[in-house]
Amino acid sequence: QQQVKQSPQSLIVQKGGISIINCAYENTAFDYFPWYQQFPGKGPALLIAIRPDVSEKKEGRFTISFNKSAKQFSLHIMDSQPGDSATYFCAASGYGQNFVFGPGTRLSVLP
Amino acid sequence: DTAVSQTPKYLVTQMGNDKSIKCEQNLGHDTMYWYKQDSKKFLKIMFSYNNKELIINETVPNRFSPKSPDKAHLNLHINSLELGDSAVYFCASSLGHSGNTIYFGEGSWLTVV
Repeated sequence: QQQVKQSPQSLIVQKGGISIINCAYENTAFDYFPWYQQFPGKGPALLIAIRPDVSEKKEGRFTISFNKSAKQFSLHIMDSQPGDSATYFCAASGYGQNFVFGPGTRLSVLP
Repeated sequence: DTAVSQTPKYLVTQMGNDKSIKCEQNLGHDTMYWYKQDSKKFLKIMFSYNNKELIINETVPNRFSPKSPDKAHLNLHINSLELGDSAVYFCASSLGHSGNTIYFGEGSWLTVV
């Protein structure tokens, strides 16, 4: 019940395309869903996060879509750029719940 | 100003040695963590401290011993290093131990030869 599933494991997108990464969780006590971005040689850094009181959150080219009933959330990267090439982790947490990370998605954006 | 800083960044050592990784955060957080990231990029939590008290201790060999002298510091000591300990170790911190953003350090690359 503590797992967060993430797909795909890797993703190759052309410059200007849309990158979509999906995550699913089981624990209904989770109420905080962040996405982290990790560049090679660096630590994961918060990219964008959502709480379940909204179904979508947008920050620039990055959008989280959240489906509470399906217990799923996804990251959409619009107009993907080579500089977006990184590993992306979804995560889930909540009051009294440990932070749980998905296994990661390696995104490569081709120029 | 680095929020979560850990040293050393790179560490190459021989099997059987003992080594330490230090971590400090200047964010005023009360919770600190150690994560291990393997070659497949999985982020696995090892330990978590809240106000200097151990609150998460995952299945980690007892050769790994965390020490938190105060809320701003969480060090990791590893005894009798093994080849399988080679990985990237991330220190992190947050305000509270659930439901808030975790901030990571830059990582310490440990290679055991």
